[in-house]
Amino acid sequence: QVELVQSESELKKPGASVKVSCKASGYTFTSYVVHWVRQAPGQGLEWMGWINTYTRNPTYAQGFRGRFVFSFDTSVSTAYLQINSLKAEDTAFYYCARQAVAERGFDYEYWGQGTLVTVSS
Amino acid sequence: DIQMTQSPSSLSASVGDRVTITCRASQSIGNHLNWYQQKPGKAPELLIYTTSTLQSGVPARFSGSGSGTDFTLTISSLQREDFASYHCQQTYSTSPLTFGGGTKVEIK
Repeated sequence: QVELVQSESELKKPGASVKVSCKASGYTFTSYVVHWVRQAPGQGLEWMGWINTYTRNPTYAQGFRGRFVFSFDTSVSTAYLQINSLKAEDTAFYYCARQAVAERGFDYEYWGQGTLVTVSS
Repeated sequence: DIQMTQSPSSLSASVGDRVTITCRASQSIGNHLNWYQQKPGKAPELLIYTTSTLQSGVPARFSGSGSGTDFTLTISSLQREDFASYHCQQTYSTSPLTFGGGTKVEIK
């Protein structure tokens, strides 16, 4: 069965960097793009973008260009989200997600459990 | 960007009530509208895709309708396990994909 398992919560100081991992299993990793979604405490969902695990091409939503970096390692079927120069407003849950099947569009049947990144001095 | 406006942002209801949540798109998105349920401390779960198709395992008391710019999620008879937040998502445009602001369904 398809499973996405994310790394544990992180507490970081402003200005530091963090790297969140999302380990995939139960399918061929390079067959599906990996999406990232942010949810600030008590707020709605915000699509950050995706990384194409076949072409290696990342796509970033407007508010996530510059400090946010998507990457992956095919050898361990793991996608990564790195956030540089952390700010207090980056405090949020970060989710990786995968669509159900390629032909059906971007409905996310599979989600990681979420990683809470807390930025505080 | 396509803006998705959900209403209400929260509601209080009792077990057995019929509940309706609406989602309005800033431009036509055809039927490219999904709904998710999210319980506290958990990742969202897919409820309905392409406006009205129930994801496998989702109870039949959930239904979705609409097209173009106006969409509705209906719970015909609210159950205790349905108290959660609900999010709509448009997938008509991937530049960017966008979610509504969410609706929290609380116990009256």
